[in-house]
Amino acid sequence: KAGVTQTPRYLIKTRGQQVTLSCSPISGHRSVSWYQQTPGQGLQFLFEYFSETQRNKGNFPGRFSGRQFSNSRSEMNVSTLELGDSALYLCASRRGTGATNEKLFFGSGTQLSVL
Amino acid sequence: EDQVTQSPEALRLQEGESSSLNCSYTVSGLRGLFWYRQDPGKGPEFLFTLYSAGEEKEKERLKATLTKKESFLHITAPKPEDSATYLCAVRGVTTDSWGKLQFGAGTQVVVTP
Repeated sequence: KAGVTQTPRYLIKTRGQQVTLSCSPISGHRSVSWYQQTPGQGLQFLFEYFSETQRNKGNFPGRFSGRQFSNSRSEMNVSTLELGDSALYLCASRRGTGATNEKLFFGSGTQLSVL
Repeated sequence: EDQVTQSPEALRLQEGESSSLNCSYTVSGLRGLFWYRQDPGKGPEFLFTLYSAGEEKEKERLKATLTKKESFLHITAPKPEDSATYLCAVRGVTTDSWGKLQFGAGTQVVVTP
């Protein structure tokens, strides 16, 4: 069974540009969440989507947005990039059954560098 | 707000030297406590879920335990392949916690031969 797939693996952008990252969840998983990982702040929750609806959002500015498609694939977008947006962006999926101990499966991430 | 604190930040062990990692948490209501391991350049890999005090889970050389305020990850007779960053995370019961894992900063473990 294929795992969570994220593309691209690496990305270099300049300040002010915008970027779109893609995530394909494990087959059968309906929930996709996104996390930002930096050396200083660790893993921070960005948002979660379930059945194309955003169910929760972390404390990030409106420049960070996302969406989920009917096939559960998800994209996140960052507009007007800042140097501080340089990070590893991780996508994770779960079945979405609502079970309390439901675990997340993570992809390998997209390493974004903003110059 | 849910909070997770892990200690120590880094741990260097000789092969075979057992040790424990600590995860202290505050959460309004615990849905689950999760342990992950992360290798450089990769996403976190799931290890365990615990959700009630007194619960224990084991996998090879790793054993996770849970109390009402903290969790421990015990590494018994570690091998170099156990070198990784170990992350602890909690999921709370409030609507703010829906679908969200609150992670600690992690403990970087290096096991030398």
